[in-house]
Amino acid sequence: GAGVSQSPRYKVAKRGQDVALRCDPISGHVSLFWYQQALGQGPEFLTYFQNEAQLDKSGLPSDRFFAERPEGSVSTLKIQRTQQEDSAVYLCASSLARAPGGTIYFGEGSWLTVV
Amino acid sequence: AQSVTQPDIHITVSEGASLELRCNYSYGATPYLFWYVQSPGQGLQLLLKYFSGDTLVQGIKGFEAEFKRSQSSFNLRKPSVHWSDAAEYFCAAVAYSGAGSYQLTFGKGTKLSVIP
Repeated sequence: GAGVSQSPRYKVAKRGQDVALRCDPISGHVSLFWYQQALGQGPEFLTYFQNEAQLDKSGLPSDRFFAERPEGSVSTLKIQRTQQEDSAVYLCASSLARAPGGTIYFGEGSWLTVV
Repeated sequence: AQSVTQPDIHITVSEGASLELRCNYSYGATPYLFWYVQSPGQGLQLLLKYFSGDTLVQGIKGFEAEFKRSQSSFNLRKPSVHWSDAAEYFCAAVAYSGAGSYQLTFGKGTKLSVIP
Protein backbone atom coordinates (compact mmCIF):
# COMPACT_ATOMS: atom_id res chain seq x y z
CA GLY A 1 0.00 0.00 0.00
CA ALA A 2 0.89 3.63 -0.21
CA GLY A 3 1.12 4.28 3.52
CA VAL A 4 2.07 2.61 6.80
CA SER A 5 -0.49 -0.04 7.64
CA GLN A 6 -1.19 -1.30 11.15
CA SER A 7 -3.34 -4.15 12.40
CA PRO A 8 -5.46 -4.71 14.29
CA ARG A 9 -6.84 -1.19 14.48
CA TYR A 10 -8.61 -2.01 17.74
CA LYS A 11 -7.84 -4.68 20.30
CA VAL A 12 -9.47 -5.41 23.63
CA ALA A 13 -7.41 -7.73 25.79
CA LYS A 14 -8.08 -9.21 29.17
CA ARG A 15 -5.44 -8.49 31.77
CA GLY A 16 -2.75 -11.12 31.56
CA GLN A 17 -3.38 -11.91 27.91
CA ASP A 18 -0.61 -11.67 25.30
CA VAL A 19 -1.12 -9.39 22.28
CA ALA A 20 0.68 -8.92 18.98
CA LEU A 21 0.47 -5.75 16.91
CA ARG A 22 1.57 -5.72 13.30
CA CYS A 23 3.11 -2.95 11.22
CA ASP A 24 3.56 -2.92 7.45
CA PRO A 25 5.86 0.00 6.63
CA ILE A 26 6.02 1.77 3.32
CA SER A 27 7.79 -0.47 0.83
CA GLY A 28 11.55 0.08 0.77
CA HIS A 29 11.66 2.06 3.98
CA VAL A 30 14.76 1.24 5.95
CA SER A 31 13.86 2.82 9.27
CA LEU A 32 10.95 1.69 11.41
CA PHE A 33 9.79 3.13 14.73
CA TRP A 34 7.26 2.13 17.37
CA TYR A 35 5.65 4.71 19.63
CA GLN A 36 3.18 4.49 22.51
CA GLN A 37 0.59 7.23 22.96
CA ALA A 38 -1.42 7.30 26.15
CA LEU A 39 -4.73 9.16 26.20
CA GLY A 40 -4.18 12.90 26.09
CA GLN A 41 -0.41 12.60 25.77
CA GLY A 42 2.17 12.93 23.05
CA PRO A 43 3.68 9.82 21.48
CA GLU A 44 6.56 8.26 23.41
CA PHE A 45 9.38 6.41 21.68
CA LEU A 46 9.56 2.66 22.20
CA THR A 47 12.04 1.21 19.72
CA TYR A 48 13.86 1.72 16.42
CA PHE A 49 14.83 -0.69 13.64
CA GLN A 50 17.17 -0.15 10.74
CA ASN A 51 16.30 -2.94 8.34
CA GLU A 52 16.19 -6.04 10.55
CA ALA A 53 18.53 -4.68 13.22
CA GLN A 54 16.96 -3.31 16.38
CA LEU A 55 19.34 -0.44 17.12
CA ASP A 56 17.47 1.13 20.02
CA LYS A 57 15.01 -0.43 22.43
CA SER A 58 15.55 2.03 25.24
CA GLY A 59 11.92 3.12 25.31
CA LEU A 60 10.37 -0.30 25.91
CA PRO A 61 8.74 0.08 29.35
CA SER A 62 9.38 -3.43 30.62
CA ASP A 63 10.60 -6.85 29.59
CA ARG A 64 7.00 -7.71 28.76
CA PHE A 65 7.41 -5.67 25.60
CA PHE A 66 9.22 -7.22 22.66
CA ALA A 67 9.55 -6.08 19.04
CA GLU A 68 10.95 -7.76 15.97
CA ARG A 69 11.46 -7.15 12.27
CA PRO A 70 13.01 -10.39 11.07
CA GLU A 71 13.17 -9.71 7.33
CA GLY A 72 13.57 -5.97 7.47
CA SER A 73 10.03 -5.16 6.38
CA VAL A 74 7.01 -6.12 8.51
CA SER A 75 7.40 -5.58 12.24
CA THR A 76 5.53 -7.00 15.20
CA LEU A 77 5.24 -5.50 18.66
CA LYS A 78 4.38 -8.11 21.25
CA ILE A 79 3.15 -7.40 24.75
CA GLN A 80 3.10 -10.29 27.18
CA ARG A 81 0.84 -10.54 30.23
CA THR A 82 -0.88 -7.25 29.47
CA GLN A 83 -1.62 -4.84 32.29
CA GLN A 84 -4.13 -2.00 32.45
CA GLU A 85 -1.35 0.56 32.16
CA ASP A 86 -0.56 -0.86 28.71
CA SER A 87 -3.81 0.62 27.40
CA ALA A 88 -2.75 3.11 24.73
CA VAL A 89 -2.46 3.69 21.03
CA TYR A 90 0.59 2.03 19.52
CA LEU A 91 1.89 3.93 16.51
CA CYS A 92 4.25 2.59 13.90
CA ALA A 93 6.24 4.88 11.62
CA SER A 94 8.71 4.39 8.81
CA SER A 95 11.24 6.40 6.86
CA LEU A 96 13.41 5.91 3.80
CA ALA A 97 16.29 7.58 5.64
CA ARG A 98 18.93 5.85 7.77
CA ALA A 99 19.65 9.14 9.46
CA PRO A 100 17.76 12.20 10.65
CA GLY A 101 16.67 14.32 7.74
CA GLY A 102 14.04 12.21 6.08
CA THR A 103 10.31 12.41 6.41
CA ILE A 104 8.82 10.00 8.94
CA TYR A 105 5.39 8.63 8.06
CA PHE A 106 2.97 7.31 10.67
CA GLY A 107 0.30 4.67 10.52
CA GLU A 108 -3.15 5.17 12.03
CA GLY A 109 -2.24 3.19 15.11
CA SER A 110 -3.43 0.14 16.99
CA TRP A 111 -5.74 1.03 19.88
CA LEU A 112 -5.20 -1.37 22.77
CA THR A 113 -7.58 -1.51 25.71
CA VAL A 114 -6.76 -3.85 28.57
CA VAL A 115 -9.72 -4.77 30.77
CA ALA B 1 18.28 16.14 27.99
CA GLN B 2 16.70 16.66 24.60
CA SER B 3 13.16 17.90 24.86
CA VAL B 4 10.32 19.62 23.04
CA THR B 5 7.92 21.88 24.91
CA GLN B 6 4.48 23.03 23.85
CA PRO B 7 3.43 25.56 26.51
CA ASP B 8 -0.25 25.67 25.57
CA ILE B 9 -2.34 22.61 26.37
CA HIS B 10 -5.55 23.91 24.85
CA ILE B 11 -6.29 26.88 22.59
CA THR B 12 -9.69 28.07 21.39
CA VAL B 13 -10.05 30.42 18.43
CA SER B 14 -12.94 31.69 16.36
CA GLU B 15 -13.28 30.54 12.78
CA GLY B 16 -11.51 33.00 10.51
CA ALA B 17 -9.16 34.21 13.22
CA SER B 18 -5.41 33.80 13.04
CA LEU B 19 -3.59 31.08 14.94
CA GLU B 20 -0.17 30.62 16.47
CA LEU B 21 0.87 27.47 18.30
CA ARG B 22 4.10 27.66 20.27
CA CYS B 23 6.93 25.16 20.32
CA ASN B 24 10.34 25.34 21.99
CA TYR B 25 13.12 22.80 21.78
CA SER B 26 16.14 22.03 23.89
CA TYR B 27 18.91 20.30 21.98
CA GLY B 28 22.70 20.59 21.80
CA ALA B 29 22.56 21.41 18.12
CA THR B 30 19.70 22.46 15.90
CA PRO B 31 17.57 19.39 15.36
CA TYR B 32 15.28 18.70 12.46
CA LEU B 33 11.81 19.99 13.37
CA PHE B 34 8.33 18.88 12.45
CA TRP B 35 4.70 19.72 13.07
CA TYR B 36 2.13 16.92 12.96
CA VAL B 37 -1.65 17.06 13.29
CA GLN B 38 -3.84 14.35 14.76
CA SER B 39 -7.61 14.25 14.40
CA PRO B 40 -9.61 12.14 16.87
CA GLY B 41 -9.12 8.45 16.20
CA GLN B 42 -6.56 9.11 13.49
CA GLY B 43 -2.83 8.78 13.09
CA LEU B 44 -0.34 11.60 12.76
CA GLN B 45 -0.29 13.64 9.57
CA LEU B 46 2.79 15.67 8.71
CA LEU B 47 2.03 19.38 8.25
CA LEU B 48 5.54 20.65 7.59
CA LYS B 49 9.20 20.14 8.38
CA TYR B 50 12.35 22.20 8.82
CA PHE B 51 15.76 20.82 8.03
CA SER B 52 17.83 23.86 7.05
CA GLY B 53 17.78 26.95 4.86
CA ASP B 54 14.86 29.34 4.76
CA THR B 55 13.55 29.78 8.29
CA LEU B 56 9.94 30.24 7.14
CA VAL B 57 8.52 26.90 6.09
CA GLN B 58 5.29 26.39 4.20
CA GLY B 59 3.19 23.33 4.78
CA ILE B 60 -0.09 21.76 3.82
CA LYS B 61 -3.56 23.13 4.60
CA GLY B 62 -2.29 26.72 4.65
CA PHE B 63 0.00 26.28 7.65
CA GLU B 64 3.45 27.78 8.00
CA ALA B 65 6.11 27.72 10.71
CA GLU B 66 9.03 29.95 11.53
CA PHE B 67 12.31 28.66 12.93
CA LYS B 68 14.04 31.08 15.30
CA ARG B 69 17.41 29.83 16.47
CA SER B 70 17.87 32.65 18.99
CA GLN B 71 14.65 31.67 20.75
CA SER B 72 14.91 27.89 20.18
CA SER B 73 11.40 28.09 18.80
CA PHE B 74 9.46 26.68 15.88
CA ASN B 75 5.98 28.19 16.08
CA LEU B 76 3.14 27.12 13.82
CA ARG B 77 0.88 29.73 12.28
CA LYS B 78 -2.20 30.01 10.10
CA PRO B 79 -3.70 33.32 8.96
CA SER B 80 -7.34 32.18 8.99
CA VAL B 81 -8.53 29.10 10.83
CA HIS B 82 -11.25 26.83 9.46
CA TRP B 83 -13.55 24.67 11.60
CA SER B 84 -11.90 21.57 10.12
CA ASP B 85 -8.59 22.60 11.70
CA ALA B 86 -9.87 21.53 15.13
CA ALA B 87 -7.47 18.76 16.17
CA GLU B 88 -4.41 18.01 18.31
CA TYR B 89 -1.14 19.49 17.09
CA PHE B 90 2.24 18.05 17.93
CA CYS B 91 5.65 19.63 17.55
CA ALA B 92 8.52 17.17 17.23
CA ALA B 93 12.27 17.12 16.83
CA VAL B 94 14.48 14.37 15.45
CA ALA B 95 18.11 13.77 16.28
CA TYR B 96 20.56 10.94 16.71
CA SER B 97 20.09 9.00 19.92
CA GLY B 98 23.27 6.94 19.76
CA ALA B 99 24.58 3.73 18.14
CA GLY B 100 23.26 4.63 14.70
CA SER B 101 19.77 5.18 15.99
CA TYR B 102 17.60 8.25 15.80
CA GLN B 103 14.15 9.13 17.05
CA LEU B 104 11.44 11.73 17.03
CA THR B 105 10.77 13.40 20.35
CA PHE B 106 7.32 14.91 20.67
CA GLY B 107 5.87 17.70 22.72
CA LYS B 108 2.76 16.95 24.76
CA GLY B 109 0.53 18.51 22.15
CA THR B 110 -1.82 21.47 21.87
CA LYS B 111 -5.50 20.82 21.41
CA LEU B 112 -7.13 23.34 19.09
CA SER B 113 -10.83 24.07 19.36
CA VAL B 114 -12.54 26.26 16.77
CA ILE B 115 -15.68 28.27 17.53
CA PRO B 116 -17.97 28.65 14.50
